[in-house]
Amino acid sequence: DAKTTQPPSMDCAEGRAANLPCNHSTISGNEYVYWYRQIHSQGPQYIIHGLKNNETNEMASLIITEDRKSSTLILPHATLRDTAVYYCIVRVSNFGNEKLTFGTGTRLTIIP
Amino acid sequence: DVKVTQSSRYLVKRTGEKVFLECVQDMDHENMFWYRQDPGLGLRLIYFSYDVKMKEKGDIPEGYSVSREKKERFSLILESASTNQTSMYLCASSASGTGTGNTIYFGEGSWLTVV
Repeated sequence: DAKTTQPPSMDCAEGRAANLPCNHSTISGNEYVYWYRQIHSQGPQYIIHGLKNNETNEMASLIITEDRKSSTLILPHATLRDTAVYYCIVRVSNFGNEKLTFGTGTRLTIIP
Repeated sequence: DVKVTQSSRYLVKRTGEKVFLECVQDMDHENMFWYRQDPGLGLRLIYFSYDVKMKEKGDIPEGYSVSREKKERFSLILESASTNQTSMYLCASSASGTGTGNTIYFGEGSWLTVV
């Protein structure tokens, strides 16, 4: 399974865009990139996922490089409630062998 | 609204006790997972199940077993709890395949303390 690498921590000023990188250089063709976040003492919350095209939803944008070896999660206008640990996950899905490989996570702190 | 419900939010158990952690999902998902989360170690997969009565070991299955008798319910069992099993346990579920909109849902977590 592909492993992911994320910086352990980042700060971002409130109202600015937060850009969280993830390296997944060993990703294979059938693996998706998922992003989750976890606020203290709660279960992880889904943010966005993609295969090779860039994706956007109401929470964030996901930019995946053309070679798929890395991606960036963008929170366009960070608020204090975005302070959390963000996980980049590479997911393989074959019937009977679905696995989730979690990265180490990035602790994002939004600064007022 | 989709839901993964873990029966107990906080538990305190004694060493040697048998512990059951229950998880129920209401989305008719094929896949269910149990993770544990510890400071500095992130989320680690204990077991997962891709169908009723089917199970696969994850990365840290030692000291745990699981049961999936019904599609919506996945139980984690600690046969003889030990202090090193003090942790937060997370249940998750997903449909098979990763098509657009297919999402992995997590429960709120169960904080287990073994004394």
